[in-house]
Amino acid sequence: QVQLQESGPGLVKPSQTLSLTCTVSGRSISTDDNYWTWIRRRPGKGLEWIGYIYFRGNTYYNPSLESRLTISVDTSKNQFSLNLNSVTSADTAVYFCVSQDSRGYFFDYWGQGTLVSVSS
Amino acid sequence: DIQMTQSPSSLSASVGDRVTITCRTSQTITTYLNWYQEKPGRAPKLLIYGTSTLQNGVPSRFSGGGSGTDFTLTISSLQPEDFATYYCQQSYTTPLTFGQGTKVEIK
Repeated sequence: QVQLQESGPGLVKPSQTLSLTCTVSGRSISTDDNYWTWIRRRPGKGLEWIGYIYFRGNTYYNPSLESRLTISVDTSKNQFSLNLNSVTSADTAVYFCVSQDSRGYFFDYWGQGTLVSVSS
Repeated sequence: DIQMTQSPSSLSASVGDRVTITCRTSQTITTYLNWYQEKPGRAPKLLIYGTSTLQNGVPSRFSGGGSGTDFTLTISSLQPEDFATYYCQQSYTTPLTFGQGTKVEIK
């Protein structure tokens, strides 16, 4: 059974960097079958795809966030991470780490999600 | 970006009812349409991918159809565990986008 678990601070100050890590278990992150993805849900809004990384380091970001975003991977720890800089209150959201099928681009396993609030 | 419009945004139904949720896209996506179920406090769950293929373990009362810009998710006989929010998602092109969700509530 594939499991993903987000970890990181639940509170970030405006203008600072939001950093989250996702630990994957039950599947090697070094697989051609999946991309490793971040999705968020802001209060009162729908789900927003943030971007993904392939285990070799290739990334694809949502253009709406690309200028502030870095997604990285650590295959030795079976983890991938999200860094979003210059955050504002508009970045307050539940952040999910997700496995994305590399052929069908659907999301087959999700973490529980972690709430990150941006506030001084 | 491809816009996704689900209807209705919410519905009330009884156990045993047949329920259909519609998802319309702002441009054609052939059959690159997926459906998810979300319950409070739980991770979203993939139900259907590629318009009509059930994910492993998903009950056969769920079915999906459509092509182009108009798609449906149907629950043939609503069960108590099906009360949840349902989302469609297009996987035709990046950025990948979702519908706003349809909440299925108990009548």
